[in-house]
Amino acid sequence: QVQLVESGGGLVKPGGSLRLSCAASGFSFSDYYMSWIRQAPGKGLEWVSYISSSSSYTNYADSVKGRFTISRDNAKNSLYLQMNSLRADDTAVYYCARARFLELFDYWGQGILVTVSS
Amino acid sequence: QSALTQPASVSGSPGQSITISCTGTSSDVGGYNYVSWYQQHPGKAPKLMIYDVTNRPSGVSNRFSGSKSGNTASLIISGLQAEDEADYYCSSYTSSSTQVFGTGTKVTVV
Repeated sequence: QVQLVESGGGLVKPGGSLRLSCAASGFSFSDYYMSWIRQAPGKGLEWVSYISSSSSYTNYADSVKGRFTISRDNAKNSLYLQMNSLRADDTAVYYCARARFLELFDYWGQGILVTVSS
Repeated sequence: QSALTQPASVSGSPGQSITISCTGTSSDVGGYNYVSWYQQHPGKAPKLMIYDVTNRPSGVSNRFSGSKSGNTASLIISGLQAEDEADYYCSSYTSSSTQVFGTGTKVTVV
């Protein structure tokens, strides 16, 4: 069965950096686009970033463009999100999700909390 | 990209039908048949319930259905059950090759 497990979250100070990882199993990881989606405490879902199956295409929400970088390692079945210049409003649960191209998210991880606070 | 507009809450009695609307623009909902709906129970990850406006993934109850007219998509839950009490989010592909989610709707079974 499809499994997505996020790791790397935690408490970081404003201006700091953090790298999230997502370990995928149960499907052919290299065949799928992947995405990060976040949810601030008590708020709605916000799409963050996409990466294509071969890493040739990436896209970002305006709110994170220039600060976050999505990447993947198909040999390790892993997705990453490098987050720099973190701000308080980046505080959220971050979900890794399998995507059907840019159109939908059919499997989600359990989420990992990132807290940006001094 | 502004969030799609959903009602904050919708309620219904067991067995009733409810409809959740999702309003966007011609650059997202109205421009593509790539509207999806997600169900999220408290403390859990979202689950895909409807994709491509009207399609149900395998394993999702046929009590859930979707439609679209112009810039507004809708999720219909028929035969409402206690287990349907959750938050629901729509999402759409956009002309900027991004995704945009709705503001979310809390469904209460009274």
